[in-house]
Amino acid sequence: GESVGLHLPTLSVQEGDNSIINCAYSNSASDYFIWYKQESGKGPQFIIDIRSNMDKRQGQRVTVLLNKTVKHLSLQIAATQPGDSAVYFCAPKEARNSGYSTLTFGKGTMLLVSP
Amino acid sequence: DAGVIQSPRHEVTEMGQEVTLRCKPISGHDYLFWYRQTMMRGLELLIYFNNNVPIDDSGMPEDRFSAKMPNASFSTLKIQPSEPRDSAVYFCASSWVGPPNTGELFFGEGSRLTVL
Repeated sequence: GESVGLHLPTLSVQEGDNSIINCAYSNSASDYFIWYKQESGKGPQFIIDIRSNMDKRQGQRVTVLLNKTVKHLSLQIAATQPGDSAVYFCAPKEARNSGYSTLTFGKGTMLLVSP
Repeated sequence: DAGVIQSPRHEVTEMGQEVTLRCKPISGHDYLFWYRQTMMRGLELLIYFNNNVPIDDSGMPEDRFSAKMPNASFSTLKIQPSEPRDSAVYFCASSWVGPPNTGELFFGEGSRLTVL
């Protein structure tokens, strides 16, 4: 999951395995969460989102689970492929005094997929 | 759609020099964000604009950093004077608010800055 340490948390899996990337958030008022994928040398790209009134949402090969009780998110990737190798961020959306909500990113989790 | 366009992609400069990073948001997006990414601190929000007006600059590290958005299709992030600790990848992102959009950010490819 996300880390406040110096090193990026890394998950290494074999091609074809299922991957689970975890994320803990701190603000219980967060009502919306987005997962982003960042490939080497590129900007983050949207994968999937989930609102706080849901506990599960599925996309193509990805599923996000939300546990508001313990403020935890997970991103599950089915049948992981080498092209899934990237850094993954969970980004809670938090309201600011300006009235607009912005995404808060951490350091991310690196997923390494071996052929 | 061309997406968010940033320039330069790579910049190497010497300490004390002025650096200007540029961004063209996606047409029609009302919000523009500048982020900085480092291994130590991850992806940090520096400043964001709404309709060309700076809304929240609390993430700007110090007075050496300034950002402008003279029109809806262009923004700059300037560092003067630059220091080695400013070395990072700087991302610009844009978005629009309103249904059905839920605030997803569209990022550019980033500008990698190295200050020697």
